[in-house]
Amino acid sequence: SAVISQKPSRDICQRGTSLTIQCQVDSQVTMMFWYRQQPGQSLTLIATANQGSEATYESGFVIDKFPISRPNLTFSTLTVSNMSPEDSSIYLCSVSIASEQYFGPGTRLTVT
Amino acid sequence: AQSVAQPEDQVNVAEGNPLTVKCTYSVSGNPYLFWYVQYPNRGLQFLLKYITGDNLVKGSYGFEAEFNKSQTSFHLKKPSALVSDSALYFCAVRDIANSGGYQKVTFGTGTKLQVIP
Repeated sequence: SAVISQKPSRDICQRGTSLTIQCQVDSQVTMMFWYRQQPGQSLTLIATANQGSEATYESGFVIDKFPISRPNLTFSTLTVSNMSPEDSSIYLCSVSIASEQYFGPGTRLTVT
Repeated sequence: AQSVAQPEDQVNVAEGNPLTVKCTYSVSGNPYLFWYVQYPNRGLQFLLKYITGDNLVKGSYGFEAEFNKSQTSFHLKKPSALVSDSALYFCAVRDIANSGGYQKVTFGTGTKLQVIP
């Protein structure tokens, strides 16, 4: 199993600013995943982060908007850059261990 | 490409009655299938999974799901619903063919379960 923590748990940000979300896992994992859940919608994969290499982004997501760091096997950050109200979502960090997918508690972002 | 469909946005059921939340999937190979639950203002919680073996999978909180390969379905069930089961339920799939290098999980749109007292 895995225990995942995220910081901050929630934030209210102004348009045009950036927010960095941290994700910490209690065990070493090869891949970490970042998802977005917009209000009333399902989870959408933003990118997959491998330690030591650049993240792989899904269609519709770009590195300039959502830069990701993966400095070691237990930690990752996702930055939401130049925010607009459309970025208001819950952002979730996730890892896969032994065919199970574990999720962090999420970061609830509101952009005003 | 892999996909998941949850045809019902909301399911209403009376407390004590059996419940079913539907899910169908599409993958090129064999699937890993999952159900998650999300309570208001809380993160996703894992309920159960199907990898291989018995088609009937039992999970947390008395939930179970039946894998039906011919119908490509993985419906979530519970014999007797509780008011506390009211939440948002997500079905998810991962294609085993992709599991070696890229463990992408695709989620359905979610089904809101409302258990009426």
